[in-house]
Amino acid sequence: QVQLQESGPGLVRPSQTLTLTCAVSGDSISSRSCYWGWFRQPAGSGLEWIGRVFFDGRTNYNSFLRSRLTISVDTSKNQFSLKLNSVTAADTAVYYCVREGFNDVDDWGQGTRVTVSS
Amino acid sequence: DIQMTQSPVSLSASVGDRVTITCRASQSLNNYLKWYQCKQGQAPRVLISTASNLQSGVPSRFSGSGSGTHFTLTINSLQPEDSATYYCQQSLSTPYTFGQGTLLEI
Repeated sequence: QVQLQESGPGLVRPSQTLTLTCAVSGDSISSRSCYWGWFRQPAGSGLEWIGRVFFDGRTNYNSFLRSRLTISVDTSKNQFSLKLNSVTAADTAVYYCVREGFNDVDDWGQGTRVTVSS
Repeated sequence: DIQMTQSPVSLSASVGDRVTITCRASQSLNNYLKWYQCKQGQAPRVLISTASNLQSGVPSRFSGSGSGTHFTLTINSLQPEDSATYYCQQSLSTPYTFGQGTLLEI
């Protein structure tokens, strides 16, 4: 069974860079049968798709974040990460990492809450 | 981007009732449509994928139907634990987009 666990700072100052990591167990980050992605849910709002990465580093990003966003894989640690630059209060949300399987089965992490505040 | 329109915004029902939530897409999805259940403090749970494929472990009272641009989630014989917010999401193309959500109160 695939398990994903997000980690990162709970609090980030405005204009700083948010870095989140998703540790993967039960599958290889080098798998060719899935994407590794990120979603978020701001408090009181709906779900948002952030972006995804394939094992070879190819990415798809949501356009509203593209200029500030980097998603990458680390095969040596079997994990992938999200970096979001120049954060504002609008980036306050619960962030989820997801394994998007090509067999139409997805696995979600439990989520990590991120607050952007001075 | 593909626009997703979900209705109703909120819904109140009783234990044992049957409810239906509707989702419309701005273009044909070739059935690449997922339904999620979201509860406070929990990760979203995928209920249905490819419009009608019930995910493993999801009770059979949940069902999805539809094609093209019009889809529905039906919950039969409502249980108290079905109180949640439900979202549809198109998985045809990135950026993936969601409906606005339906708050179901029981």
